[in-house]
Amino acid sequence: EAGVAQSPRYKIIEKRQSVAFWCNPISGHATLYWYQQILGQGPKLLIQFQNNGVVDDSQLPKDRFSAERLKGVDSTLKIQPAKLEDSAVYLCASSFRLSSYEQYFGPGTRLTVT
Amino acid sequence: AQRVTQPEKLLSVFKGAPVELKCNYSYSGSPELFWYVQYSRQRLQLLLRHISRESIKGFTADLNKGETSFHLKKPFAQEEDSAMYYCALIQGAQKLVFGQGTRLTINP
Repeated sequence: EAGVAQSPRYKIIEKRQSVAFWCNPISGHATLYWYQQILGQGPKLLIQFQNNGVVDDSQLPKDRFSAERLKGVDSTLKIQPAKLEDSAVYLCASSFRLSSYEQYFGPGTRLTVT
Repeated sequence: AQRVTQPEKLLSVFKGAPVELKCNYSYSGSPELFWYVQYSRQRLQLLLRHISRESIKGFTADLNKGETSFHLKKPFAQEEDSAMYYCALIQGAQKLVFGQGTRLTINP
């Protein structure tokens, strides 16, 4: 089966600019996750969707970050405006259902904010 | 708050030597713990889950509730084991909380 797809793979922007990341989960996976991984740290969950509903967005900086999964398949994560501290790898993951313990990760998008 | 701690950022051992990657956790309740691995230029992937009590690629991990630890062990390291290893626990509705990771290097 095809894995989780993400684009772009790399993005460089200046602070205060906007950026969007796209994720296509494994077909049939109802649960989708966005993680932020800052250099030298483990991934940190930003938001979790079950189909097109938000399950957990407690660690999403909502003043600048937004995410949507309108049709319960693809998802977009947006940052507006970006700050220097947003430089990180943004990982998308999916799992078959909410009770599934195994998450399948995409290759990530490396964001550099200058 | 639930937390996962991996005290070693870097670990280097020789091929054929035993490996132990340390993981400690804090969790109020019955934890469900995992080890994820990321090989060079590959995606983060599940290595093993404590409930399975299985050996994957020669690695095992035992949950020690008394010491709140979930150390990953392998008796004889191989060069292909070089990778980044993350310990993680499940919180709430399948929310993974990761440790900082340990970069394991196996020297020939």
